[in-house]
Amino acid sequence: AQSVTQLDSHVSVSEGTPVLLRCNYSSSYSPSLFWYVQHPNKGLQLLLKYTSAATLVKGINGFEAEFKKSETSFHLTKPSAHMSDAAEYFCVVSERNDMRFGAGTRLTVKP
Amino acid sequence: DGGITQSPKYLFRKEGQNVTLSCEQNLNHDAMYWYRQDPGQGLRLIYYSQIVNDFQKGDIAEGYSVSREKKESFPLTVTSAQKNPTAFYLCASSTWAGGPNEQFFGPGTRLTVL
Repeated sequence: AQSVTQLDSHVSVSEGTPVLLRCNYSSSYSPSLFWYVQHPNKGLQLLLKYTSAATLVKGINGFEAEFKKSETSFHLTKPSAHMSDAAEYFCVVSERNDMRFGAGTRLTVKP
Repeated sequence: DGGITQSPKYLFRKEGQNVTLSCEQNLNHDAMYWYRQDPGQGLRLIYYSQIVNDFQKGDIAEGYSVSREKKESFPLTVTSAQKNPTAFYLCASSTWAGGPNEQFFGPGTRLTVL
């Protein structure tokens, strides 16, 4: 069965500096991978997804993620953080009939 | 305007009462899901349904029940058997092509048991 681990429960950055949210996964097959964002008391919004095409995936709001099979990682990055990026981020692995959510990483952006 | 709606946004219940959370989608998706979210624990799957009149238990189905009589609707009942029902509940839907594709989420219902 697949699983996903978000390596940091909380990340704090200053506005204008790069963002790195780390995600490792385990899967027996070729998984699909997703990043979602959740603002307080809201539903989840899809940021980007990987489905075995290009390994560098570009998403909304300037985010991107790179699928590295050899490292079983799918880290989320953004060159320059904005205050509006402050939220909870979830990495998700999907394989066959099952989707698994990571525990989430809370991103704080300091002015 | 396509999407998923959940109602109510906030719900209060006394101990021992059953309560039903509504979820409706107009995306023509085959699959629908219910998740529970607790602080620091991410999302946990309660039930999911691939097609009308069929549904499967997720990881934490005890104390919950669902129905799927229409493609657009997937209500969740939190029964009195659920020992700790206070949580944020999220409904989602997706297409289903041999497995779940990207899921679209509703805005959530926050249930508080008094």
